[in-house]
Amino acid sequence: GAVVSQHPSWVICKSGTSVKIECRSLDFQATTMFWYRQFPKQSLMLMATSNEGSKATYEQGVEKDKFLINHASLTLSTLTVTSAHPEDSSFYICSAAWGQGSNQPQHFGDGTRLSIL
Amino acid sequence: SQQGEEDPQALSIQEGENATMNCSYKTSINNLQWYRQNSGRGLVHLILIRSNEREKHSGRLRVTLDTSKKSSSLLITASRAADTASYFCATRGNQFYFGTGTSLTVIP
Repeated sequence: GAVVSQHPSWVICKSGTSVKIECRSLDFQATTMFWYRQFPKQSLMLMATSNEGSKATYEQGVEKDKFLINHASLTLSTLTVTSAHPEDSSFYICSAAWGQGSNQPQHFGDGTRLSIL
Repeated sequence: SQQGEEDPQALSIQEGENATMNCSYKTSINNLQWYRQNSGRGLVHLILIRSNEREKHSGRLRVTLDTSKKSSSLLITASRAADTASYFCATRGNQFYFGTGTSLTVIP
């Protein structure tokens, strides 16, 4: 099956640090990548949708300047949490889909657990 | 919000029994997908059912979709301890939203 690699799997850093999370599709070209945030024992909250070569579409309430998304190639998207604070601590998960993702399943990375001290 | 609501929130069954989870959603959809998540991990796609389909099977999984009631169900037959996980429905219309999830525990 399709493989999506997310790195790093766990980050602990001081408040004010910027953290970059990478999401790579290893064996297929992902025209669409999604970034989610998940709080403990809760569902996934879609943060943004990114298409290769264009600006990401952010969900309502998600700060574009806080969560920078870059989808520079068909196999790589990055999420940068800028000037992270304790309230940004969460589980971040990316997924990738071929095409516009409408009738395609999403293939998920294993997530990144971000802890801001 | 188009977020799906799932019930039950938690389900505990004995190995070998069947497990049924339900998902309800609010607006029209193109398709509905079911995913599984083991604790602290990413999601694994299980099955996709399109809006013009009513039932779909994959191994021990059976999914139904009733667009008139805006609901779907996931049935896992002959459950195994390894099926223990959280299960989410996800609806795709203009947006893509995940349901609240059902935490399934299969007791050996």
